[in-house]
Amino acid sequence: AQSVTQLDSHVSVSEGTPVLLRCNYSSSYSPSLFWYVQHPNKGLQLLLKYTSAATLVKGINGFEAEFKKSETSFHLTKPSAHMSDAAEYFCVVSGDTGRRALTFGSGTRLQVQP
Amino acid sequence: KAGVTQTPRYLIKTRGQQVTLSCSPISGHRSVSWYQQTPGQGLQFLFEYFSETQRNKGNFPGRFSGRQFSNSRSEMNVSTLELGDSALYLCASSLGAGDPNYGYTFGSGTRLTVV
Repeated sequence: AQSVTQLDSHVSVSEGTPVLLRCNYSSSYSPSLFWYVQHPNKGLQLLLKYTSAATLVKGINGFEAEFKKSETSFHLTKPSAHMSDAAEYFCVVSGDTGRRALTFGSGTRLQVQP
Repeated sequence: KAGVTQTPRYLIKTRGQQVTLSCSPISGHRSVSWYQQTPGQGLQFLFEYFSETQRNKGNFPGRFSGRQFSNSRSEMNVSTLELGDSALYLCASSLGAGDPNYGYTFGSGTRLTVV
């Protein structure tokens, strides 16, 4: 079985300061890991994905995440927050080729203060 | 290119009725997955179709069913609606199935309200 734990349900930062959204995963297989963002009343947009290539993954809008197998973590970071980053972020794990269903974390709501 | 199109965007149904939701994937994508999003349960996998065959199914009752057509468009049906079925239903399309390197593109969802 696979699971994802997002350690913070809410994160509040000031504009221009760094963002850290934490994610731990559990998987019996070599996982693929994703971060998705959801703006209000919108669908999910892929920020970045890890699929067993480089452990440091760069995504869109300045976001990046590092896969740490020893810590079973896949934290999302951004050096400087923008107001437009305010949204809900989901860490997602996908199992091996036979079990591709995505398992979502519970989400982290990011607030960006001016 | 056009993204994933879900219709309708909003739907209000009465308890006991049935409903059909539609998803048109990105052109060339052959895999369609369905997810339910609720405030209490978060995002949960319903099922995945590839080349008109259901490849994977989540832990939902038999009232939830789906199908995929030869043009890869997919429909999801919920029969005997319950108040708890109120949710945002999201569809995701992917180029293929069985390879984690394929990314998923999500539609904007259909918001179903059961009264």
